[in-house]
Amino acid sequence: GAVVSQHPSRVICKSGTSVKIECRSLDFQATTMFWYRQFPKQSLMLMATSNEGSKATYEQGVEKDKFLINHASLTLSTLTVTSAHPEDSSFYICSAREGGGTLSAFFGQGTRLTVV
Amino acid sequence: SQQGEEDPQALSIQEGENATMNCSYKTSINNLQWYRQNSGRGLVHLILIRSNEREKHSGRLRVTLDTSKKSSSLLITASRAADTASYFCATVNAGNNRKLIWGLGTSLAVNP
Repeated sequence: GAVVSQHPSRVICKSGTSVKIECRSLDFQATTMFWYRQFPKQSLMLMATSNEGSKATYEQGVEKDKFLINHASLTLSTLTVTSAHPEDSSFYICSAREGGGTLSAFFGQGTRLTVV
Repeated sequence: SQQGEEDPQALSIQEGENATMNCSYKTSINNLQWYRQNSGRGLVHLILIRSNEREKHSGRLRVTLDTSKKSSSLLITASRAADTASYFCATVNAGNNRKLIWGLGTSLAVNP
């Protein structure tokens, strides 16, 4: 199956700093990428949908100025958590789909963010 | 966004037994997908069943879909300790082929 690489897998940062998470599709072109947040023992919460070359569509309640998403190429999307606070600590997961149809999504390995 | 519901929320079985997980959803769908997540890891796609299909197999996995009841089941036969993980269903709604609507997940523990 298609491979999505997410980096870093774990990051610890100080309050007030920014953290960038990368999501790459290694063997296919991802026209659409999704960013999720997952709290312990809970389901995935969609944060935003990004299409290559256009602005991301954020879900209700997600601050777009805090969670900056860039999808500059067909193989790379980045999520930057700006001015991170301890409450931003979570597991962030990206996924990518190859086309605009109803295909399955392929997921990155996730990033465990801890803000201290 | 609405979410599907899965039951049971947690399931503990012995190796060799079968595990059945159920998923219900609320709207008309294009397809339903099952994913597996090991602790602290990303999700792995297991199987996709389209709205016009009723049953699908993949190795030890069997998925059924009943669109009249808006429900699906995932059966893992002859379970192994390595099957221990969380299992999520996700639907793609008819008319909206971009977002996956996620269930709450079933945590499966297979005891050796």
